[in-house]
Amino acid sequence: DVKVTQSSRYLVKRTGEKVFLECVQDMDHENMFWYRQDPGLGLRLIYFSYDVKMKEKGDIPEGYSVSREKKERFSLILESASTNQTSMYLCASTLSGANIQYFGAGTRLSVL
Amino acid sequence: RKEVEQDPGPFNVPEGATVAFNCTYSNSASQSFFWYRQDCRKEPKLLMSVYSSGNEDGRFTAQLNRASQYISLLIRDSKLSDSATYLCVVRGKDSNYQLIWGAGTKLIIKP
Repeated sequence: DVKVTQSSRYLVKRTGEKVFLECVQDMDHENMFWYRQDPGLGLRLIYFSYDVKMKEKGDIPEGYSVSREKKERFSLILESASTNQTSMYLCASTLSGANIQYFGAGTRLSVL
Repeated sequence: RKEVEQDPGPFNVPEGATVAFNCTYSNSASQSFFWYRQDCRKEPKLLMSVYSSGNEDGRFTAQLNRASQYISLLIRDSKLSDSATYLCVVRGKDSNYQLIWGAGTKLIIKP
């Protein structure tokens, strides 16, 4: 079974803090994604990566950055957290060219 | 207009009933279509892909109508465990990696 692991299920941070969300997958998938999910809006793509050290902006990259130093790990960074970044963050991975995305359990981030 | 639109519901349905809901998409060049299921406070998981000819998996049937640009999901003999949010997902011809997600339809099966 594909396993995508996100480092934290719940996080509470203060405005202005730097926040790291980590995601690790164990199936040697090339592609990895970071989404945020808000009520009524569905999943919105923040960044994705199709290879080590490669990254592409998604639909809502502002206020975020990412890092992919190793194939299995994709990190999402909030340089200076703001209250409007309170959300559920979901990491996903997939094989190159494949449609099916496998998700981690999600990190519910609250920025106070 | 959203690229992928779904009725948010909730659909309240008695156990054993048949329920169906649709999802419309705006990009006529969309190539691939999926239904994902998301339980409360859990991650989305693939329920089924949607093929041009329609496809069935047990009690679940998915249909694609390209002319009217919608996909549908029908659930027969609904179970309590079918209660979840059903997400419609579309992949465009030119989006190599990106999927476009609907906001989901919430389904509640009542005993």
